[in-house]
Order: sequence, then C-alpha cells, then structure tokens
Amino acid sequence: DAGVTQSPTHLIKTRGQHVTLRCSPISGHKSVSWYQQVLGQGPQFIFQYYEKEERGRGNFPDRFSARQFPNYSSELNVNALLLGDSALYLCASSRQASTNEKLFFGSGTQLSVL
Amino acid sequence: QQQVKQSPQSLIVQKGGISIINCAYENTAFDYFPWYQQFPGKGPALLIAIRPDVSEKKEGRFTISFNKSAKQFSLHIMDSQPGDSATYFCAASIGGNNRLAFGKGNQVVVIP
Repeated sequence: DAGVTQSPTHLIKTRGQHVTLRCSPISGHKSVSWYQQVLGQGPQFIFQYYEKEERGRGNFPDRFSARQFPNYSSELNVNALLLGDSALYLCASSRQASTNEKLFFGSGTQLSVL
Repeated sequence: QQQVKQSPQSLIVQKGGISIINCAYENTAFDYFPWYQQFPGKGPALLIAIRPDVSEKKEGRFTISFNKSAKQFSLHIMDSQPGDSATYFCAASIGGNNRLAFGKGNQVVVIP
C-alpha cells in the first residue's frame, strides 16, 4: 500500500508569491494534518482536517490556509511568501482524528523562498 | 514557547551501547507521549508511544520510561546499531486530537 504522498518534493519561490502544496493520505485515512519543519527544529503543527472540516489550527498567520477534498486529499496554501516560510512542509494522515490513531507522515515538500 | 524540551542535543554511541534521550514537558493536560525517528529526506516515523497511566513501555530494543510527577519521559535504545543513526523527536498531545507538540530533536550517531 502507498504511504502518504506529497507533491511537489521540492519547490523554489520568491518573496510575495503564492504556493500550493498537495497531500494524498493513506487509503482509508480520513484525517490529514499539516506541519512545518524549519531546519534543525521539530515539526510545528499548522492544521488538522477531518472529514473535510478544520479540526485544529496552530499559531500561524492567516496567510496559511488549507482544505480537504471529498477524496480526503488536502492542499496547503501559503500567500505572500516570506523568507521565513522556507521549511519542510509535512503532511500526516490517520484513520481518525484522535490520538488513539497512529499518525503517518509523508516525506514532505521542501519549500525554499528566495 | 517550547512545550516539550529535549536533551541532550546530540549523542554519539558505540555500536551495542545504550542511547538515552530525555524529554520534559510543562502542560499537565498532555496525555499522549510518542517518540518519532526521522532520517534525512524523510518524514518522522512513529517509534513507540506511552500514556501517563503506565511508567514504562517496551517494544523490541526501544523502551519509554515515564515519570509523571517529574513531567519527564525518556527513550532508551538498547543494543544501538549504526542503522539507528537518525534524529529522534519526542512529542506530546492532549486527548481527542493528534495535534502534536514536538521537541527540537536529538541527533543520535551510532559508531561501529
């Protein structure tokens, strides 16, 4: 079975641009979460979606938005990119939204903002 | 602020030795404590997790020890192997969601 897949794997943007990152969860998983991992740091929670509804939002500005589609895939959008948005963006999926469920991470999208 | 703090920042262990990584947390509402392993270019992968109603959990060569009163938990890697060389993250969350608060990570290097 395929794991969590993210696209693209690498992306280079310039300040002020907009970016869309995509995530396909493991088949049967209904919850998708997004994390930002800056180099040398642990992942930081951005969003969680379950059954197409936002279930949680981390301490990120409104430039960050996300959505989940009927097939449970998800997009993370970042507007007006800043240099500080350069990071590895990780998507994780689980069957349900609770901590009783194991969280599976994708390999991430490496975003560089120049 | 950092809700979960790890130490030491990096660790060098000889093959066959024991790697010990410690984690401290502040929020007493946390009730789920996982450890994740991350290799370069990959996402984190769940190694082992514990809930505060037990003091220790063992899975293969990996053991979590949990001290609720001290608000600390640690990962022990027994018989460390070069393939265990990776970055290890502790995390914590509050029941009912999988919104994880991660520590900054510990780089473990196992030398042959």
